[in-house]
Amino acid sequence: DTEVTQTPKHLVMGMTNKKSLKCEQHMGHRAMYWYKQKAKKPPELMFVYSYEKLSINESVPSRFSPECPNSSLLNLHLHALQPEDSALYLCASSQVGSHTEAFFGQGTRLTVV
Amino acid sequence: LAKTTQPISMDSYEGQEVNITCSHNNIATNDYITWYQQFPSQGPRFIIQGYKTKVTNEVASLFIPADRKSSTLSLPRVSLSDTAVYYCLVANNYGQNFVFGPGTRLSVLP
Repeated sequence: DTEVTQTPKHLVMGMTNKKSLKCEQHMGHRAMYWYKQKAKKPPELMFVYSYEKLSINESVPSRFSPECPNSSLLNLHLHALQPEDSALYLCASSQVGSHTEAFFGQGTRLTVV
Repeated sequence: LAKTTQPISMDSYEGQEVNITCSHNNIATNDYITWYQQFPSQGPRFIIQGYKTKVTNEVASLFIPADRKSSTLSLPRVSLSDTAVYYCLVANNYGQNFVFGPGTRLSVLP
């Protein structure tokens, strides 16, 4: 199994809502990532987890809260988002120390209204 | 932080070889050069990675000169299904300063 599965594929939420994005992989990878991608732009790294511990937070606003409950799952909790947070949110995984060879999910298309 | 530049777009015809060059003048000693392919509404897909000289796999070749200040992704005999955005990534494997290049939009025409 070489897939990273993200749910939901699409999400529309209001600015006062709380929602969560989910990511799952069964490749035995112990590094997992969240990226944000705006239209016609490259992915931007948000968070890195290594061995289920947050190792990198790229100065992401606190309205985005990551969680890694186990080695296969990665969540991104969303609260009080702004319309400019609308984007494609990508999850990825890799072997620890092989960040540049990551497997990406198909992403969640988030629209904040 | 290794800043990369790539052509914004390229056009090619089916069956041709396509070469996409990425410039990375301030590449660091620990940095690798990696190329990803991305189709609309999908996540990027790893294509190839190298450190120096030439690397070849079943889908592409990567040429890196001795000074490592640039790299060229070569796609042999492209088909319509190769139409995508190609990102050059110059980064180490520990997650710091991890920035994708701007991407090259390749259009393959029949």
